[in-house]
Amino acid sequence: NAGVTQTPKFRILKIGQSMTLQCTQDMNHNYMYWYRQDPGMGLKLIYYSVGAGITDKGEVPNGYNVSRSTTEDFPLRLELAAPSQTSVYFCASRREGTNEKLFFGSGTQLSVL
Amino acid sequence: GQSLEQPSEVTAVEGAIVQINCTYQTSGFYGLSWYQQHDGGAPTFLSYNALDGLEETGRFSSFLSRSDSYGYLLLQELQMKDSASYFCAVNRDDKIIFGKGTRLHILP
Repeated sequence: NAGVTQTPKFRILKIGQSMTLQCTQDMNHNYMYWYRQDPGMGLKLIYYSVGAGITDKGEVPNGYNVSRSTTEDFPLRLELAAPSQTSVYFCASRREGTNEKLFFGSGTQLSVL
Repeated sequence: GQSLEQPSEVTAVEGAIVQINCTYQTSGFYGLSWYQQHDGGAPTFLSYNALDGLEETGRFSSFLSRSDSYGYLLLQELQMKDSASYFCAVNRDDKIIFGKGTRLHILP
C-alpha cells in the first residue's frame, strides 16, 4: 500500500492564481482531513470528510474548497491565492474505529508570492 | 470552543525521562492522541488513550485523566532521535483538533 499520497510536493503561486492540491489514499479509509501548518505552529484543520459525498468545515476553511466524489480522493482547491495561504498542507486519513490513528501524506509546501 | 494547551518547548538530557503535558478545555471528545513530527516531515501517530489511565508502547507512555482535563506523554531513555515536536490531539464530532505542539530539545 502506498498509504496517503499528496501532489505536488512543492508549488509557487502568484497572488490571485488558483490551484488544486491532490490527495489520494489506498487504505479504504472513510475519514479524510486537510490541515495547514505554518512555521513553528500546530496543525489547523481546514476541511474534513466522513465519507464520499460528505464534507464539512474545520477551523480555518476560508479561501478553500473541497470535494469528495470517491472514497480514495479528497482534493483541496485554493481560489484566488493570497500570501496568507503560504503554508505546508497535509492530508490525512483514518478508518472508523476505536483507534483514531491518522495516517498523513508527506505534505505540500505552498508559497504564494 | 475547544483548546489544547502544551508547553512550547521542553529540554532534557539524553538517557533521561521527560514528560510533555497537555491540558484541554473541551468536552465530549472520544480520546486523546499523541503525534511526533521531525523537522521537514509529516506527523506520525504515537499513541491513543480512549480511557483514563496509562497506555504504554515501548519507551513511550501516554496518560489521560478526564476528570482533570489533562494528559501527558512520557518518553523514557531519551535518544537524540527523539528530538522532534510532539502534538496532542482530540477528536470532537469527527474533527481531529491539534494542540500547538511541544518542541523537545535533547542535550547530549
